[in-house]
Amino acid sequence: QKEVEQDPGPLSVPEGAIVSLNCTYSNSAFQYFMWYRQYSRKGPELLMYTYSSGNKEDGRFTAQVDKSSKYISLFIRDSQPSDSATYLCAMSVGAAGNKLTFGGGTRVLVKP
Amino acid sequence: GAVVSQHPSWVICKSGTSVKIECRSLDFQATTMFWYRQFPKQSLMLMATSNEGSKATYEQGVEKDKFLINHASLTLSTLTVTSAHPEDSSFYICSASLPVATNEKLFFGSGTQLSVL
Repeated sequence: QKEVEQDPGPLSVPEGAIVSLNCTYSNSAFQYFMWYRQYSRKGPELLMYTYSSGNKEDGRFTAQVDKSSKYISLFIRDSQPSDSATYLCAMSVGAAGNKLTFGGGTRVLVKP
Repeated sequence: GAVVSQHPSWVICKSGTSVKIECRSLDFQATTMFWYRQFPKQSLMLMATSNEGSKATYEQGVEKDKFLINHASLTLSTLTVTSAHPEDSSFYICSASLPVATNEKLFFGSGTQLSVL
């Protein structure tokens, strides 16, 4: 069993819909949770960064962490074709400057 | 966000040659840099942790003599793939740690696609 599980998709949604992404994990020591967006053959771009449980909102993005269930989510409102990419969840035990454990990534396609 | 520059973005080389990839933090000093490897449609796999002025720490299964890492300054880390073979063909990505208040965030370079013929 992988430490971090993430549905590979692809997840196809119409433009304007809400994109819902999630990851589950097994290591209860994870404290820092991140979501990255990666376009093809590019480095990951940090979208959201959350410490411990709770919700965090930034523009069209909302990240949720439920440590009791070992489950994290990312919601993208009013999705745009430019949101089409692979979304990677990542987490770490210590501060995010420590090594990250990544999920496998979910490929998202937003159709105009 | 912070900028991490990685060069080259792609390289093609013959089997048996060595290839050097550079990773620079452009607007901050990074005491720690990480090197990842990514195969098509797979996630990032950590290869090694690079600390300025000390030897890199390699993950299990990564050959340190094949993947040489040098972190000579607070803004530059290099990965050299020695005697490259076709199975080393992959997408290599570096990241740098930026302390932000009491937390740290990781920012990634744009990656290097290595193709070994």
